[in-house]
Amino acid sequence: DGGITQSPKYLFRKEGQNVTLSCEQNLNHDAMYWYRQDPGQGLRLIYYSQIVNDFQKGDIAEGYSVSREKKESFPLTVTSAQKNPTAFYLCASSIQRDTEAFFGQGTRLTVV
Amino acid sequence: QKEVEQNSGPLSVPEGAIASLNCTYSDRGSQSFFWYRQYSGKSPELIMSIYSNGDKEDGRFTAQLNKASQYVSLLIRDSQPSDSATYLCAVKEGFQKLVFGTGTRLLVSP
Repeated sequence: DGGITQSPKYLFRKEGQNVTLSCEQNLNHDAMYWYRQDPGQGLRLIYYSQIVNDFQKGDIAEGYSVSREKKESFPLTVTSAQKNPTAFYLCASSIQRDTEAFFGQGTRLTVV
Repeated sequence: QKEVEQNSGPLSVPEGAIASLNCTYSDRGSQSFFWYRQYSGKSPELIMSIYSNGDKEDGRFTAQLNKASQYVSLLIRDSQPSDSATYLCAVKEGFQKLVFGTGTRLLVSP
């Protein structure tokens, strides 16, 4: 069953902690993306990657880090430097650089 | 200037009417354009992709692209209450960066 899997679905973090959000795809897609969505807002690009071991900052990369050690995996770490991390985080992937992207079910992160 | 702009709405239409959603973008070099639908609390799902000037039809949906005017639109014919959602316009900039608008909320009343 092919698709994009994000885990966990809900995540609670204490202030000052780093947390890592998982994104795995078995679609053999080259490109992967991380977006953040705040209530009533659109999607803002955090990081994206076109190939293994390479990634670029998006519009709001500060306080976040990523890795792309395997084609199927693109984990996102929300560091303590991110001052307002509570949001809905969405991972997406696409087969080629100019084709449509498909999304995972998202991770809702809340700072407590 | 925002890279991808949409009217936030809400756009209210009666059941059976045509809903027209619009989007403008700033990067003239963009070649790939997408419409996504997002229900509250859910992740976006792809509705249409369009790459060439003109119209592209898929069932009740028609995407329209005008690169000279940097304008993309989505028409939904015979709107149904189940179409009530937020519609996101997305543009692939530089063949890598996928940028979204803030979305237009559509309300279809029975």
